[in-house]
Amino acid sequence: AQSVAQPEDQVNVAEGNPLTVKCTYSVSGNPYLFWYVQYPNRGLQFLLKYITGDNLVKGSYGFEAEFNKSQTSFHLKKPSALVSDSALYFCAVDSGAGSYQLTFGKGTKLSVIP
Amino acid sequence: EAGVAQSPRYKIIEKRQSVAFWCNPISGHATLYWYQQILGQGPKLLIQFQNNGVVDDSQLPKDRFSAERLKGVDSTLKIQPAKLEDSAVYLCASSPGPVYEQYFGPGTRLTVT
Repeated sequence: AQSVAQPEDQVNVAEGNPLTVKCTYSVSGNPYLFWYVQYPNRGLQFLLKYITGDNLVKGSYGFEAEFNKSQTSFHLKKPSALVSDSALYFCAVDSGAGSYQLTFGKGTKLSVIP
Repeated sequence: EAGVAQSPRYKIIEKRQSVAFWCNPISGHATLYWYQQILGQGPKLLIQFQNNGVVDDSQLPKDRFSAERLKGVDSTLKIQPAKLEDSAVYLCASSPGPVYEQYFGPGTRLTVT
């Protein structure tokens, strides 16, 4: 069965500094990987996805993620954090065969400190 | 483009009562999902519809949960009877098809007392 691990419950970063939110996965076959963001009292919003091709994926709001097959990781990154980036971030993996039935990690709370 | 609509936004019920949630997906989206998100956890897929047919309901507790998608558009998720452990946010999502990213509604926060 597929699974996703987000090892950090919370990440704190100063405004203007680079940020990284970590994600590792376990899936048989080729993974389809996603990042979603959840703001308070709002639904999840899609940020980016990796299906195939270039290991560096660019998404919304200046976020990007790097797929590393050997380390089974898909870390979310941003060169310069904004206070408005403070939210809950979820990594997700497709259940297989491109069905888009997502298995989510437990989430990482990102706090950007002014 | 209007987003995924859900109602009610909040619901408080006593255990053993029944409750229903409604979802209206983005117009034209064939695939609809219901997720359960317990506090401190990621969303867990309950059921996936493609048009008005069920694609996967393997994680739906069928002894108490039911869902339908009328005419392949709106969907209703019902819990009968509710248990304390059903307290969670119920999220509805839709996508143009099963191989596109999902768009989520704001969710319904259910509290069972």
